[in-house]
Amino acid sequence: AIQMTQSPSSLSASVGDRVTITCRASQGIRNDLGWYQQKPGKAPKFLIYAASSLQSGVPSRFSGSGSGTDFTLTISSLQPEDFATYYCLQDYNYPITFGQGTRLEIK
Amino acid sequence: QITLKESGPTLVKPTQTLTLTCTFSGFSLSTGGVGVGWIRQPPGKALEWLALIYWNDDKRYSPSLKSRLTITKDTSKNQVVLTMTNMDPVDTATYYCAHSNEQLPKVFDYWGQGTLVTVSS
Repeated sequence: AIQMTQSPSSLSASVGDRVTITCRASQGIRNDLGWYQQKPGKAPKFLIYAASSLQSGVPSRFSGSGSGTDFTLTISSLQPEDFATYYCLQDYNYPITFGQGTRLEIK
Repeated sequence: QITLKESGPTLVKPTQTLTLTCTFSGFSLSTGGVGVGWIRQPPGKALEWLALIYWNDDKRYSPSLKSRLTITKDTSKNQVVLTMTNMDPVDTATYYCAHSNEQLPKVFDYWGQGTLVTVSS
């Protein structure tokens, strides 16, 4: 199975900050990567697919990049509603695997 | 719009079989390319993919749990059922069902609210 490793595991930031979360795959996965946002007690929300394509309705302050093994999720200017846990997912092959999550907290 | 909702027991005993039902609306599992998957999340831990069934009855399972899982669909009822045998306390988790579309067959774009299943005697 392809292992997805996110860094950092947690991150403190302030409203207005630019933040970047990294996801690394244990082998090349082209651009077959998605990002999710999850708030406590809620289901994950789909943000980005194909590494850099924004799902409909997702604010443009979210962006994704990368291909092969290294990927990033960037939030250009943090808003209060962005404090959550973020997960990457590889859909290159089965089994589908998620990263361990990055918890974004208010500084 | 697409909605999904999980249902099933909130408490099961060790060694019992868990049966969860996902009832959905806004799409049909007879449409080419569409799939419904199950993902779980132990309290305070990461997401884990379990199984996925497609419109053509193609089924995929997590290798680590394959021997314990069965996924089926009832297209007429707009339901997908997941059974997991030999439940253990480590299987305590929130279980989600989710939709995948024909463009992104292994990506989940719509999720149910989740159902917490506790395994305890």
